[in-house]
Order: sequence, then C-alpha cells, then structure tokens
Amino acid sequence: DAGVIQSPRHEVTEMGQEVTLRCKPISGHNSLFWYRQTMMRGLELLIYFNNNVPIDDSGMPEDRFSAKMPNASFSTLKIQPSEPRDSAVYFCASRRTGGNEKLFFGSGTQLSVL
Amino acid sequence: DQQVKQNSPSLSVQEGRISILNCDYTNSMFDYFLWYKKYPAEGPTFLISISSIKDKNEDGRFTVFLNKSAKHLSLHIVPSQPGDSAVYFCAANPNSGGSNYKLTFGKGTLLTVNP
Repeated sequence: DAGVIQSPRHEVTEMGQEVTLRCKPISGHNSLFWYRQTMMRGLELLIYFNNNVPIDDSGMPEDRFSAKMPNASFSTLKIQPSEPRDSAVYFCASRRTGGNEKLFFGSGTQLSVL
Repeated sequence: DQQVKQNSPSLSVQEGRISILNCDYTNSMFDYFLWYKKYPAEGPTFLISISSIKDKNEDGRFTVFLNKSAKHLSLHIVPSQPGDSAVYFCAANPNSGGSNYKLTFGKGTLLTVNP
C-alpha cells in the first residue's frame, strides 16, 4: 500500500524562480495538509484541504505561496517568486476526515533557495 | 507563541535504559495528544497517542503519560534501543468544534540511544 508520495525529494533553485512541489495522498484519504519544517519554527501547518477544498490557509506565509488540489489524488504547493528564507523541508500529509484519525506524512521535499 | 513546547532539543541514553521525553502545552483547548517519530530523510510517523480522558497509554515499550493539571505529557521508552534514535515530536489537537484537524507540533527532541 503506497504512502503519501511527494516530488521532488530535493529542489535547489535560485532566488526569484518559481518552485512547484507535488503531492499524491493515500487513496481514500480526504484530508490533505501541507507542513513546513524549519529549525526555528519546527513543523508549521501551511494549508489544509478537505475533500479537495481549501479549509484553512491561515498558515500560508504570504501571497507568494499558493496551493491547489484539483482532484482527490493530487495537490501542489507553489512558491513564486522564491526567496532564500523559503528554504526548508516541506511535508505533505493526509488522513481520513475525523477528529483523531492518524496523520500520514510523505518523505518531504528539501527546498534550497540560493 | 509556542503552544506546544519540547524544551530539550536533544537527549542521549544508553541502550537498555529508560528514555523520557517531555512536552508542555499552553492551550487548555487541547484534548488529544500524539507523539510522532522522525528518521532522517523521512516524514514523521505516528507512534502513540492519548486522549485527555486518560492519564496513561501504553503500547509495548512506549508509554505516554498525561498530567492535565500541569499541562504536561511525557513519553517513556523502556528499554531503549539504538533503533529508537530519531527526532520525536509531540503534537496536540483541539478535538472540538471545527478545528479538530489543526495538529500543533513541538519543535522536536533528538533522541540518541548509544549501544
């Protein structure tokens, strides 16, 4: 049974470039989350989708960040233009909707913006 | 303002001994707590959880204790094994209203178990 799949695993780009991170959630999971991990702030929730609809994007740092979920099996997180302070590990996670359902994480995308 | 705090960035223990990882929280709306384990280059994986109606939950070598009055929880690993070496994240969930999806994580504690 495949877990949450993220691509690419590593991304190195130059400041000002557009970056697109991709995620395929576990089949049957209807909640999807994007998290960002940094040394300073730990794991932060960026955005939460339920049934492909964005429910809470209050964690998105600024307008340079956008996320979409066009269908139940695919989501993207886009940064345009990217800045060095965006360098972090970005995790996608999914679960079934429910109060205490476990969250399953992908392996993350290590983003470095030079 | 950090609502979930893991004040020890790292912990080192000998194989076979007990590992105790601590976590404090400030939000009294939190009523479900989880521990996740993370190996390098992997995503966090669920380890164990506890509801606020309990003060202890045990799963094999792992036990989580919850002290609601102190807003404190701890994870005990007995006996510790080298394979337990990882970053451990404490997380909390307000399991009420419409925000029960909003898992808040601590910054993590790096556990090293020495052979």
